[in-house]
Amino acid sequence: QKEVEQNSGPLSVPEGAIASLNCTYSDRGSQSFFWYRQYSGKSPELIMFIYSNGDKEDGRFTAQLNKASQYVSLLIRDSQPSDSATYLCAVRLGADTGFQKLVFGTGTRLLVSP
Amino acid sequence: SQTIHQWPATLVQPVGSPLSLECTVEGTSNPNLYWYRQAAGRGLQLLFYSVGIGQISSEVPQNLSASRPQDRQFILSSKKLLLSDSGFYLCAWSVTVDSPLHFGNGTRLTVT
Repeated sequence: QKEVEQNSGPLSVPEGAIASLNCTYSDRGSQSFFWYRQYSGKSPELIMFIYSNGDKEDGRFTAQLNKASQYVSLLIRDSQPSDSATYLCAVRLGADTGFQKLVFGTGTRLLVSP
Repeated sequence: SQTIHQWPATLVQPVGSPLSLECTVEGTSNPNLYWYRQAAGRGLQLLFYSVGIGQISSEVPQNLSASRPQDRQFILSSKKLLLSDSGFYLCAWSVTVDSPLHFGNGTRLTVT
């Protein structure tokens, strides 16, 4: 089982719709979770992080965390063509695994059509 | 504000040649530093991390090495490149081991 799993996509949504990106993780001791956006040929940039169960909103982005289900998601409201990119979910492993390294999923490609 | 510089942006090297990639961080002291590699169609793989000057931890045994000669400088090296070393190399920093990582612009390495 992979430590962090994401559907590779592509996820296609029309402009103005809500895009929902999902991620599951295997380490129950994980405490911090991150979403990065990566445009083609560029480096990842941090969008959001979440540490507690529930929702965290920042502008058009909402991160949702459910530790019991080992599930984290990112919602993008009013999707724009400029949101078209690959979205990487990253999970910091729990302390009982030694160094709490940040493990990345392979990413979900999002395509927003005008 | 903090900034991270990574160079070169692209590099084409023959098999068996040496490698040196450099990364520096400005605007902070004693950052945690990381080297990741992203192979085509694959996720980011942690190669090395450092929580302080002169301290390096390796995650993946291979023909690469890292050094941290100064507080805000992180270097990735190889004595002899392999074809499998091709990829997108990313340097990153964080304030603490718990805080988010911030990436440099990356180096796209092609080994021919």
